[in-house]
Amino acid sequence: DTEVTQTPKHLVMGMTNKKSLKCEQHMGHRAMYWYKQKAKKPPELMFVYSYEKLSINESVPSRFSPECPNSSLLNLHLHALQPEDSALYLCASSQDIRDRASYEQYFGPGTRLTVT
Amino acid sequence: GNSVTQMEGPVTLSEEAFLTINCTYTATGYPSLFWYVQYPGEGLQLLLKATKADDKGSNKGFEATYRKETTSFHLEKGSVQVSDSAVYFCALTRYSSASKIIFGSGTRLSIRP
Repeated sequence: DTEVTQTPKHLVMGMTNKKSLKCEQHMGHRAMYWYKQKAKKPPELMFVYSYEKLSINESVPSRFSPECPNSSLLNLHLHALQPEDSALYLCASSQDIRDRASYEQYFGPGTRLTVT
Repeated sequence: GNSVTQMEGPVTLSEEAFLTINCTYTATGYPSLFWYVQYPGEGLQLLLKATKADDKGSNKGFEATYRKETTSFHLEKGSVQVSDSAVYFCALTRYSSASKIIFGSGTRLSIRP
């Protein structure tokens, strides 16, 4: 099983709402990632978790709050977002970030977020 | 700094045409090189990769060779199909920061029947 799943597929939220994006993998990977992708642009890294600990935060605004409850799950909690946060949010996983031989990242299908 | 430059799109070809999408990189040391593909409405899929000079990555009829002398990793396919219509991203990672993928800007490919 080389699949990364993400829910929901689509999400529309107001600027005062609180919502969460979920990501799951069952490949035994110990590194998980959140990316943001705007239309016609490459993905931009937001967060990296390694062994359930936050390893990298690419200076993301605090209205985005990641959480890694266990090695298979990754959440992204959203609060007080702005319309410019509308984008495709992609989750990815890799075996490890410490071993160069296992750096290959597997991406999920993404959640398309619209902030109104 | 590290960067990836790929040809501007969109690229439109007829079915069974030969495809080349150019990609050059700037990086210190010996990066690993990748091509990712994103089909409409989907996430990214790793298409192929090469981890050292002169390595050739191949998958689904696509090929790319890691050329250190020209710092290039051009994507080729001998006969494209309508189902190859997608956005293609050239990318690299460095040994010292393997978790950070540096992407090119992407090339949109459209194949006419």
